[in-house]
Amino acid sequence: NAGVTQTPKFQVLKTGQSMTLQCAQDMNHNSMYWYRQDPGMGLRLIYYSASEGTTDKGEVPNGYNVSRLNKREFSLRLESAAPSQTSVYFCASREGRDSTDTQYFGPGTRLTVL
Amino acid sequence: GQQLNQSPQSMFIQEGEDVSMNCTSSSIFNTWLWYKQDPGEGPVLLIALYKAGELTSNGRLTAQFGITRKDSFLNISASIPSDVGIYFCAGRGAGGTSYGKLTFGQGTILTVHP
Repeated sequence: NAGVTQTPKFQVLKTGQSMTLQCAQDMNHNSMYWYRQDPGMGLRLIYYSASEGTTDKGEVPNGYNVSRLNKREFSLRLESAAPSQTSVYFCASREGRDSTDTQYFGPGTRLTVL
Repeated sequence: GQQLNQSPQSMFIQEGEDVSMNCTSSSIFNTWLWYKQDPGEGPVLLIALYKAGELTSNGRLTAQFGITRKDSFLNISASIPSDVGIYFCAGRGAGGTSYGKLTFGQGTILTVHP
């Protein structure tokens, strides 16, 4: 039982390049989330998927797209990377059946855009 | 949107000392969560609080859900070197489109000197 896994762990892009960050969970959770973490700003929600087949914008969605490929996988895509997207990206999942269940986080992807 | 103010931003303490940090919100939350993040890792849940006034302990950690539902604090007693990390508070609102989504504080960086 690996929990939440993310690939890659590190990535360097040039401005304008595109890439997809992968996330998978093996806990049979319904909800999945993408956050970015910047110094002094905590974690900010980019997009989330309350259940398979649905996605919604979070606090900072501009410049990103997401795909909930199936119940296990939730990917984040940067179509044209910008230096402002240099950050650490975390994926999280939550069972989503009860108001008391909580989010479990992956180890993060450290992205640098030059 | 909802905002959480977490303080202090950083703390430098001696091993054995007690630590206290808190979060305040401009909005009411139904759930307060406290996470710890070790270097290079994703946040890990420490304590979850679900009722106003609730006081919950997890080993040397104690957290409380404020009566107004707009604040929470975390205490760590008799700190040890492995307590080093970033501590985040997070709040979750009620129902509707915000169901399950978390708002994070900016984090408290804790350094423990042996």
